[in-house]
Amino acid sequence: QQQVKQSPQSLIVQKGGISIINCAYENTAFDYFPWYQQFPGKGPALLIAIRPDVSEKKEGRFTISFNKSAKQFSLHIMDSQPGDSATYFCAASLRGSARQLTFGSGTQLTVLP
Amino acid sequence: EAGVVQSPRYKIIEKKQPVAFWCNPISGHNTLYWYLQNLGQGPELLIRYENEEAVDDSQLPKDRFSAERLKGVDSTLKIQPAELGDSAVYLCASSLGGPSVTPGELFFGEGSRLTVL
Repeated sequence: QQQVKQSPQSLIVQKGGISIINCAYENTAFDYFPWYQQFPGKGPALLIAIRPDVSEKKEGRFTISFNKSAKQFSLHIMDSQPGDSATYFCAASLRGSARQLTFGSGTQLTVLP
Repeated sequence: EAGVVQSPRYKIIEKKQPVAFWCNPISGHNTLYWYLQNLGQGPELLIRYENEEAVDDSQLPKDRFSAERLKGVDSTLKIQPAELGDSAVYLCASSLGGPSVTPGELFFGEGSRLTVL
């Protein structure tokens, strides 16, 4: 119930392509869904986040798509760049416990020049 | 503004030895977290503090792990004795407290990588 399942485990994309990472959850009490980006040797950093009352949120080249009925959400990186190469984690937090995050297992993205 | 500071960055110890990690959160952040990150996995919460109070330590293996946050600022995470399976990165994070804060916005340090031989 507390898990957030993330796929794929790794992803290789050409420069300029679209990177898509998917996450699924079971617990309908989750009501906040952030994505974190982690570079090697660094801690994760908040990239973008969404609440379930909207189906999409866009910030620059990064878009979250949210499907409440399917209990799935995804991160789309448009015009992927080599500098986007990092590990991406989806996460979720429970209603009333907003800062208590459950993380997915991560996706290692490599963008080829 | 300084971010979350952790030390040491790297630590190699023999099994059964003790080890301690230190974290200095962002100034003004009331909430402090210790996460465990195994290789190729997402962070897993060990303990969360609201000021000096540990409000969630259900995932902390209390037989060998301990943590403290004196005066509601810096925090220390200790393992005694360390086991081979404790090899991982220990991440500290902090966030602002209060209901008006954007939920889920944690600021992480660079982590302390522990290797137990």
